[in-house]
Amino acid sequence: SQQGEEDPQALSIQEGENATMNCSYKTSINNLQWYRQNSGRGLVHLILIRSNEREKHSGRLRVTLDTSKKSSSLLITASRAADTASYFCASGDDKIIFGKGTRLHILP
Amino acid sequence: SAVISQKPSRDICQRGTSLTIQCQVDSQVTMMFWYRQQPGQSLTLIATANQGSEATYESGFVIDKFPISRPNLTFSTLTVSNMSPEDSSIYLCSSFNLYGYTFGSGTRLTVV
Repeated sequence: SQQGEEDPQALSIQEGENATMNCSYKTSINNLQWYRQNSGRGLVHLILIRSNEREKHSGRLRVTLDTSKKSSSLLITASRAADTASYFCASGDDKIIFGKGTRLHILP
Repeated sequence: SAVISQKPSRDICQRGTSLTIQCQVDSQVTMMFWYRQQPGQSLTLIATANQGSEATYESGFVIDKFPISRPNLTFSTLTVSNMSPEDSSIYLCSSFNLYGYTFGSGTRLTVV
C-alpha cells in the first residue's frame, strides 16, 4: 500500500504564482523525497529531506517536514509552464513507497 | 548517481502473450526494484529484485505473473506473463546505491 497521501490531487495555477503540495505519511521515516514526473514517464528526483531537518531549499523549491504531524509540503515559487507535471512524495529505507501524487498544471 | 537504460520504451502486445522488460545500470548497485504505474495513478512497488536469489514481492504481486531475474549487480528483467488488458501500464525499474535512487525511463505497455 502507499505510504503517502498527497493533496491536492490536482492543482491549476497561473504562471508566476506559487504552488504548494502537501504529503502525509503513516509510519516513522528516516527521510522523505519528492519526485517529478513529466507525461507519465521517467521520474526526476527533486529533493530529499531527512527526519532531523525541518526545511530544505533547492532553487525555486522549498520542502518542509513536520515529523510530529507526519506531513511534508513542497512549495514551488514563481511557477513556470515547464513545472507542469505530476509530483510525488516517497519514503522508505530498504524500499521506497510513493504517495498518490499531485497533478500540477501551470496556466499561461 | 547511476544511469539506467530501460527497454523497450513501449510495446503493444496481444493478450495471452508475455513481455520481458530489461534494465541495465551503468554501475553496480545494491538494490533494484520494479514498479507499475497504472494510467493516471501513482507508482506501486511490484518487487525488489535480489541478486542471486528470488525476488521479494509486494502484496498483490506473484512470481508466476511477474517473474523477475537479477543475474548480476547491474542488470534485471521483469516479465509480464499471460497478459490481459488490465496489465496495460507503465513499468519502471529503479536502482539504489550510496548516491540514492535512480529510475529508468519506463516501459509503456498496451495490451490489446
